[in-house]
Amino acid sequence: KQEVTQIPAALSVPEGENLVLNCSFTDSAIYNLQWFRQDPGKGLTSLLLIQSSQREQTSGRLNASLDKSSGRSTLYIAASQPGDSATYLCAVNKGGATNKLIFGTGTLLAVQP
Amino acid sequence: NAGVMQNPRHLVRRRGQEARLRCSPMKGHSHVYWYRQLPEEGLKFMVYLQKENIIDESGMPKERFSAEFPKEGPSILRIQQVVRGDSAAYFCASSPLLGAQPGNTIYFGEGSWLTVV
Repeated sequence: KQEVTQIPAALSVPEGENLVLNCSFTDSAIYNLQWFRQDPGKGLTSLLLIQSSQREQTSGRLNASLDKSSGRSTLYIAASQPGDSATYLCAVNKGGATNKLIFGTGTLLAVQP
Repeated sequence: NAGVMQNPRHLVRRRGQEARLRCSPMKGHSHVYWYRQLPEEGLKFMVYLQKENIIDESGMPKERFSAEFPKEGPSILRIQQVVRGDSAAYFCASSPLLGAQPGNTIYFGEGSWLTVV
């Protein structure tokens, strides 16, 4: 059974710092992995999607890496800003007919001005 | 191009009442997923529907919960005889194609927050 874990559960950093969020999964047989952002009381915003054959994806100040064999992904945020404060979720898609996402419990990020 | 639309956004029900949550997928999408986010927990898959067909309901509670996606109209998640433990955010997502395949991106709605008092 696929389990997804995110560490740390919460993180507080001063504005301008670079930071790394971690995601680990127990079953390496995945189709893709996706990072989302969730603001309080809001829906999910997709940030980056990495296919199982890829090693990393970049979008602006965000970079996500994937090491499928070790069951790990990281989300790197450069030059953090207060507007980056949110919960960050990673989700693994095992693939197949159901296209089901298995979510981690998230990392709550607070960027202090 | 409207995204995945969910309504109501917030719903309050007394214990024992019924809750109906609606989801209109993105235009051109014929596949809908429902996820539940309980307080202090991650999002959990509930059910995956194609029009007039349930593909996977492995995450649905065995009792009181049902989902449908009719040929016409939105997908409905129905919770009968609600209890306090049903209080959660319910997210709908949609995709254009069946299963995991290239181009079959999943898009999420803004969620419906159910509070049972």
